[in-house]
Amino acid sequence: QVQLVQSGSELKKPGASVKVSCKASGYTFTSYAMNWVRQAPGQGLEWMGWINTNTGNPTYAQGFTGRFVFSLDTSVSTAYLQISSLKAEDTAVYYCARSPSITMIVRSRYFDYWGQGTLVTVSS
Amino acid sequence: DIQLTQSPSFLSASVGDRVTITCRASQGISSYLAWYQQKPGKAPKLLIYAASTLQSGVPSRFSGSGSGTEFTLTISSLQPEDFATYYCQQLNSYLLTFGGGTKVEIK
Repeated sequence: QVQLVQSGSELKKPGASVKVSCKASGYTFTSYAMNWVRQAPGQGLEWMGWINTNTGNPTYAQGFTGRFVFSLDTSVSTAYLQISSLKAEDTAVYYCARSPSITMIVRSRYFDYWGQGTLVTVSS
Repeated sequence: DIQLTQSPSFLSASVGDRVTITCRASQGISSYLAWYQQKPGKAPKLLIYAASTLQSGVPSRFSGSGSGTEFTLTISSLQPEDFATYYCQQLNSYLLTFGGGTKVEIK
């Protein structure tokens, strides 16, 4: 069965970096796009962007350029989200979520499987 | 960006009630809309895509309709496990966006 298993909670100080992992199993990793979604405490869902798991090409949503980097290690079917220069407002749960299309064609841009989420807390 | 406005933002209902949630898009998005359910402390779960296609394994009491700018999610008979927050998501724009959410609580 399809599973996305994310790394555990992180507590970081402002200015530090964090790398969240999302390990996929139960399907061919390089045949489906991977998205990242942020949910601040008590808030709604915010799409951060996606990565083509075949080419490694990332696309970032507005507000997630510069400090946010999506990457892959296809040898272990894992996607990564790295956030640098952390700020208190980066405190959130971060989800990886699969789309059933490697190229994110319009009719298949929804998210059919989600990781369990990783809480990143930024506090001094 | 395409904005999605959900209404109501909060809904109090009883088991067995018929519940309808509306999602309005700031511009036409054809039928490129999905609905998700999220329970506290859990990841969202896909319910419906293409506005009205039920995801495999989702109970048939959930249904979706609409096209263009107005969409609805209906739960025909609310069950105890349906108390959650529901989000719509537009797929039409390359920059995906979610609605603000509708929290369904027990009356």
